[in-house]
Amino acid sequence: LAKTTQPISMDSYEGQEVNITCSHNNIATNDYITWYQQFPSQGPRFIIQGYKTKVTNEVASLFIPADRKSSTLSLPRVSLSDTAVYYCLVGELDDKIIFGKGTRLHILP
Amino acid sequence: DAMVIQNPRYQVTQFGKPVTLSCSQTLNHNVMYWYQQKSSQAPKLLFHYYDKDFNNEADTPDNFQSRRPNTSFCFLDIRSPGLGDAAMYLCATSSLFEGTVLGLYEQYFGPGTRLTVT
Repeated sequence: LAKTTQPISMDSYEGQEVNITCSHNNIATNDYITWYQQFPSQGPRFIIQGYKTKVTNEVASLFIPADRKSSTLSLPRVSLSDTAVYYCLVGELDDKIIFGKGTRLHILP
Repeated sequence: DAMVIQNPRYQVTQFGKPVTLSCSQTLNHNVMYWYQQKSSQAPKLLFHYYDKDFNNEADTPDNFQSRRPNTSFCFLDIRSPGLGDAAMYLCATSSLFEGTVLGLYEQYFGPGTRLTVT
């Protein structure tokens, strides 16, 4: 399983676009990049998953450069309810998930 | 709605008194996981099942055991809880079909059981 590095915490304001970058220099050919969101006292929730280039869904976008050694989760126009911990995970699709430390995102009014 | 259910949501047990946490799922997923999450830490995988095939993490203490009597249910048994076992316990499921056929692999988490040891 590739090791990931993300900022420990980030602050932003309501209405802003938030970008959280994850480094995964040792990503393997068969590895996918997945992001989870966790609110306090709840289980993590899948946000988005991708292999290369760009993936977009109704919640977020995931940007993956050609070398795949990093990825950026983009949250458009955040609100207070987006305050949560965001985890970046890298591994093969049927790998067990090992969570890293995650990024604590705090949205300010 | 298909979902992952954990009971109870809050459990208080005494030091050394065995406790069982339960998880059920209506997703018909073949993989089930148990995680331990302590305050301000990331979830830590304890073990998981591929169908009935049990996979223990190397650093999971022997004090933690698990049972999966059928596809829908999975139990976490803590034989002699210590104060350090107080945590949120999260159950999750996933489908190998989704991963291998659909190219999408998502874990579905339950709401967790918060265990207090007195």
